[in-house]
Amino acid sequence: EAGVAQSPRYKIIEKRQSVAFWCNPISGHATLYWYQQILGQGPKLLIQFQNNGVVDDSQLPKDRFSAERLKGVDSTLKIQPAKLEDSAVYLCASSISGTGPKEQYFGPGTRLTVT
Amino acid sequence: AQSVTQLGSHVSVSEGALVLLRCNYSSSVPPYLFWYVQYPNQGLQLLLKYTSAATLVKGINGFEAEFKKSETSFHLTKPSAHMSDAAEYFCAVSDNDMRFGAGTRLTVKP
Repeated sequence: EAGVAQSPRYKIIEKRQSVAFWCNPISGHATLYWYQQILGQGPKLLIQFQNNGVVDDSQLPKDRFSAERLKGVDSTLKIQPAKLEDSAVYLCASSISGTGPKEQYFGPGTRLTVT
Repeated sequence: AQSVTQLGSHVSVSEGALVLLRCNYSSSVPPYLFWYVQYPNQGLQLLLKYTSAATLVKGINGFEAEFKKSETSFHLTKPSAHMSDAAEYFCAVSDNDMRFGAGTRLTVKP
């Protein structure tokens, strides 16, 4: 079974530039998550999708971050414009849907450095 | 709001020694609790999970954790550390969304 795929693995940009990350979840997983992991901290949920609908985006800085999952499969996360404090690893995870917490499967992450 | 606190950002043990990583939770409802491991430059991998069944949960790679409601704890243990156990370990609590602790970095000395 193929795991969660993410690209790129690394990205370096200057502040005020824009950047996009891509995620392909495990086949059949209806729920998709984007997390931000700042160095030395645990992952923080940015947004959760159920199929192509947003379930929770309460911690997404909507003035600069956006995410979409148009066909209920792949997802993109965009930052525009980037700030220095956006330097982090962005993790994508997926899970099956249903009641109660489900095991989340994580991709390798995209390490973003904003200079 | 639910949360977890991991006691000790760094733990160092000798190879063959007991591993004990501490996690305390706060939740207004019966919690679902998880331990994840993260190796360098990789995503998180599930070690084990507690979902209100047996209080002693066995996971992969010889790890286990015990849910203690009276102590609001879910500590992770392994009887004998191996060099390959060196990684970052995260405790998490979930009802609808998952909240992670800050992580504990485990170092294993030869």
